[in-house]
Amino acid sequence: EDQVTQSPEALRLQEGESSSLNCSYTVSGLRGLFWYRQDPGKGPEFLFTLYSAGEEKEKERLKATLTKKESFLHITAPKPEDSATYLCAVQAGGANNLFFGTGTRLTVIP
Amino acid sequence: NAGVTQTPKFQVLKTGQSMTLQCAQDMNHNSMYWYRQDPGMGLRLIYYSASEGTTDKGEVPNGYNVSRLNKREFSLRLESAAPSQTSVYFCASSGTGLKPYNQPQHFGDGTRLSIL
Repeated sequence: EDQVTQSPEALRLQEGESSSLNCSYTVSGLRGLFWYRQDPGKGPEFLFTLYSAGEEKEKERLKATLTKKESFLHITAPKPEDSATYLCAVQAGGANNLFFGTGTRLTVIP
Repeated sequence: NAGVTQTPKFQVLKTGQSMTLQCAQDMNHNSMYWYRQDPGMGLRLIYYSASEGTTDKGEVPNGYNVSRLNKREFSLRLESAAPSQTSVYFCASSGTGLKPYNQPQHFGDGTRLSIL
């Protein structure tokens, strides 16, 4: 059965304190791994797609990496505006849909 | 720059009432999706439409029906609402290209539905 597990559930960082969020997955035939950001009361906002092990994508203070079993979202020198819930999702096999993890709630304290 | 628009944003229903959630996208996407998001659970797919004229069940379709009205619009109907359907409902759309199965999905801001 396809499974996506995100850790930690919640993370509090001081402004400027770098860290990583983890997304481990067990799926058959990974077609893509997606990272989203979700602010309270809003829908998920697309950040990155990773297709194959070894791939990396960057956007401002965020960098996503992918291995055969997990993905990391590295946050370098975070700012309070990076506070949000970060969602990981996978697309596998012949399915159109995404299978989501439960997210990591990030709080960056000034 | 609307993207995916969902209406209404909030709704309170009584058990047994029916209602339709509306979704429209202006990105010329072929595929559209309905998810629900509950505390402590990831977003779960209710129904999707790979293209105009087709719909398919997702992970949690029971108690729901959908209509792909045209390329832009995809509605979700609750025929007889139950308290277990209290949730936040998100509509999403995705385009097609060389790799249709891994185009990113773009989400609306959700409909918050409470059923008493």
